[in-house]
Amino acid sequence: DVVMTQSPLSLPVTLGQPASISCTSSQSLVYSDGKTYLSWFQQRPGQSPRRLIYYVSNRDSGVPDRFSGSGSDTDFTLKISRVEAEDVGVYYCMQATHWPPGYTFGQGTKLEIK
Amino acid sequence: EVQLVESGGGLAQPGGSLRVSCAASGFAFRTAWMSWVRQAPGKGLEWVARIYGKTDGGTTQYAAPVKGRFVISRDDSKSTVFLEMDSLKTEDTGVYYCTADWQGGPAFWGQGKLVTVSS
Repeated sequence: DVVMTQSPLSLPVTLGQPASISCTSSQSLVYSDGKTYLSWFQQRPGQSPRRLIYYVSNRDSGVPDRFSGSGSDTDFTLKISRVEAEDVGVYYCMQATHWPPGYTFGQGTKLEIK
Repeated sequence: EVQLVESGGGLAQPGGSLRVSCAASGFAFRTAWMSWVRQAPGKGLEWVARIYGKTDGGTTQYAAPVKGRFVISRDDSKSTVFLEMDSLKTEDTGVYYCTADWQGGPAFWGQGKLVTVSS
């Protein structure tokens, strides 16, 4: 089965500084239709997850443009250009290309303010 | 505005049963693909089950750990999706989120419902 691996697992960041999270899949995430089914989610403390990015680099409605996604094939990155206090939480990447096993999430990266 | 409101869940003994429901509004439920994703206490996210819209055949899919024990279903007349959980195990404990899926995955999430399996 495909495995999603995130790094780092803990990310202390100074307010106003950039942050970057890496996500690597054990298999290519390019589907037969040409799309790459890689999404990013944010889960703030005590809240439900919220999707930020779909198809590698498309921001969901209402997501600030300081969030950006990039990558291809097996290597993907979520970048925050300037971290704000409201960005504290856990970030997950997720693949939807391979069925089974179904939606597969990374372990999560905990972002905190330094 | 998309809203997903879970109900049900609660406490069950190992080997017991529970049902969680999710009432949806604010989008075309009949054609939407819906999923359940769970989160064990202090742990990460784990997909549980998915159901297609009737126009796509109403196909159901399950994660390996719950296959044969859980059943996902939908009532389009009530814009509601269900997760029937049987033969519960302690490792099924967690918050169960209902999601509405499009553009490659869970686009909208409910507030979650706690399921506790304990003797």
